[in-house]
Amino acid sequence: NAGVTQTPKFQVLKTGQSMTLQCAQDMNHNSMYWYRQDPGMGLRLIYYSASEGTTDKGEVPNGYNVSRLNKREFSLRLESAAPSQTSVYFCASEGESNQPQHFGDGTRLSIL
Amino acid sequence: AQKITQTQPGMFVQEKEAVTLDCTYDTSDPSYGLFWYKQPSSGEMIFLIYQGSYDQQNATEGRYSLNFQKARKSANLVISASQLGDSAMYFCAMRETPSGTYKYIFGTGTRLKVLA
Repeated sequence: NAGVTQTPKFQVLKTGQSMTLQCAQDMNHNSMYWYRQDPGMGLRLIYYSASEGTTDKGEVPNGYNVSRLNKREFSLRLESAAPSQTSVYFCASEGESNQPQHFGDGTRLSIL
Repeated sequence: AQKITQTQPGMFVQEKEAVTLDCTYDTSDPSYGLFWYKQPSSGEMIFLIYQGSYDQQNATEGRYSLNFQKARKSANLVISASQLGDSAMYFCAMRETPSGTYKYIFGTGTRLKVLA
């Protein structure tokens, strides 16, 4: 019963490197989300996908791109990493309207 | 303007006592949902309780209850009979439905420490 799986769990990058964070859910949910969590700021929405084939910007989309590869998978790409993107990244998925989001365990990303 | 406000950065409570974590929200959407999540030091986000804007009664889930005051736009979490394992960060979140799609906004969280 995996739920939402994120890979990798930890990553260190150098400024300017690129990287893709992977997220997959096995709950047949339509909606998927990417958040970043910084100290004292709660979770901020980067991008979301209401259904397969659609993506929309959230509160802090600059410097990121996403791909909703299929219903299960929603990836987040950093094309040219910057130290300001050091954060913990969470992927989440959602099913019915009165149900909560299900979160992955997070990816701790450090950019030097 | 902040859409979700948690004014208590940190709280202490004695074991076995009740504690209230505050959350106020701001929205013009008549249909919205309010959620509370717990984040222990291990980092995962754990769903606790949900309240819909049209729900007539306050939500309850075991030791958790949500004190929903719609006119005051508040959705406070009440934890009864606190346990040491309740020590964690607690986030209030609101789901709005602009243009038919869901958007979530999280508060900045309250760190709760339960004292033995």
